Amino acid sequence: AQTVTQSQPEMSVQEAETVTLSCTYDTSESDYYLFWYKQPPSRQMILVIRQEAYKQQNATENRFSVNFQKAAKSFSLKISDSQLGDAAMYFCAYRRGAGAQKLVFGQGTRLTINP
Amino acid sequence: NAGVTQTPKFRVLKTGQSMTLLCAQDMNHEYMYWYRQDPGMGLRLIHYSVGEGTTAKGEVPDGYNVSRLKKQNFLLGLESAAPSQTSVYFCASSYPGTGKHEQYFGPGTRLTVT
Repeated sequence: AQTVTQSQPEMSVQEAETVTLSCTYDTSESDYYLFWYKQPPSRQMILVIRQEAYKQQNATENRFSVNFQKAAKSFSLKISDSQLGDAAMYFCAYRRGAGAQKLVFGQGTRLTINP
Repeated sequence: NAGVTQTPKFRVLKTGQSMTLLCAQDMNHEYMYWYRQDPGMGLRLIHYSVGEGTTAKGEVPDGYNVSRLKKQNFLLGLESAAPSQTSVYFCASSYPGTGKHEQYFGPGTRLTVT
């Protein structure tokens, strides 16, 4: 079974600085997708960034980027120029292949932004 | 375009009571999902549907039933609620045609069973 592990229950960063959240996963599949979701206090799950396993290039979305190390099964999220609105729980998630596949979530990392 | 909506947002049940959670999406998505989120954990899949009239079990299906009579709606039922079902429930939907494989989530329903 696929598993996703986030080893940092909590992280904090000063406003305007850079922070990296870690995620590792375990799978024997070759076709899969990785995601980072943000969950603010409102509870809404918001997609931050997506990475296709077949793509070697790391995904970027404005201030958010990933470091995808396929061989090491590592998928970290870097947030640059941290803003107060970035404070939230961040979940790493995995899904395999196509079709109606479930998302497998990590335990989450609570990110605090210090002004 | 409301996206994915869930009704109700909050509910308190007594042990043994029943209830139905409603999920609706207006994006014409084929696939729909029900997840639960327990404290300090990520979401886990309860049931899912690949189209109108079809449902399938997910990771934690016991104690729940689902129905998808219309493409835009996915109902989650608890026939006899138990305290272990106290959780936040999320509905999600996705469309296979875009190739993006991302799921769009509703705002969640907080359920407490006493």
